[in-house]
Amino acid sequence: SAVISQKPSRDICQRGTSLTIQCQVDSQVTMMFWYRQQPGQSLTLIATANQGSEATYESGFVIDKFPISRPNLTFSTLTVSNMSPEDSSIYLCSVERATNYGYTFGSGTRLTVV
Amino acid sequence: RKEVEQDPGPFNVPEGATVAFNCTYSNSASQSFFWYRQDCRKEPKLLMSVYSSGNEDGRFTAQLNRASQYISLLIRDSKLSDSATYLCVVRSNTGNQFYFGTGTSLTVIP
Repeated sequence: SAVISQKPSRDICQRGTSLTIQCQVDSQVTMMFWYRQQPGQSLTLIATANQGSEATYESGFVIDKFPISRPNLTFSTLTVSNMSPEDSSIYLCSVERATNYGYTFGSGTRLTVV
Repeated sequence: RKEVEQDPGPFNVPEGATVAFNCTYSNSASQSFFWYRQDCRKEPKLLMSVYSSGNEDGRFTAQLNRASQYISLLIRDSKLSDSATYLCVVRSNTGNQFYFGTGTSLTVIP
């Protein structure tokens, strides 16, 4: 299964600033997924990142707030823009292990906005 | 109605006990089903896929009941190291969307 390197692992940021999270996969994958897990909650899909096209955002998430890049088949970034304390969460990237074999997740980025 | 619903627990069981979790899903055409384990401050990790015929992996048994639209996870002879949150995950039939339950918290007590 794919190995995913995600960084930073954690950060404390001032409100109004932006943070870019990076995910590097050790093999080429068509789609990468970005999730958010708020304290005590389950995972919510933010967007699907496709190489060569714009990301597909889920309801409640917009490109201006969460711009995503996917420059090649092994890398993606998620930016959390103009942060507020409500953005404090764990952000996870993931890829599908193989068809019908579920996801592999990066180790997550624990973001605290103060 | 949520796509996937789980009893959040917590379940506190003694070592050696058998414990079972259920999870219901709303889309009868869902394709694939999984149980994930998430330790505190860690990412979720795949525990096992759930097949129509049921499947077993050591102390863990997963079952799927399509008629009633639920999946279950049974853990036998609980170990302290089984303490974690167990997430039920369902893949939709319409694409690559995976739906996560809120997780069931398990604590195994010495």
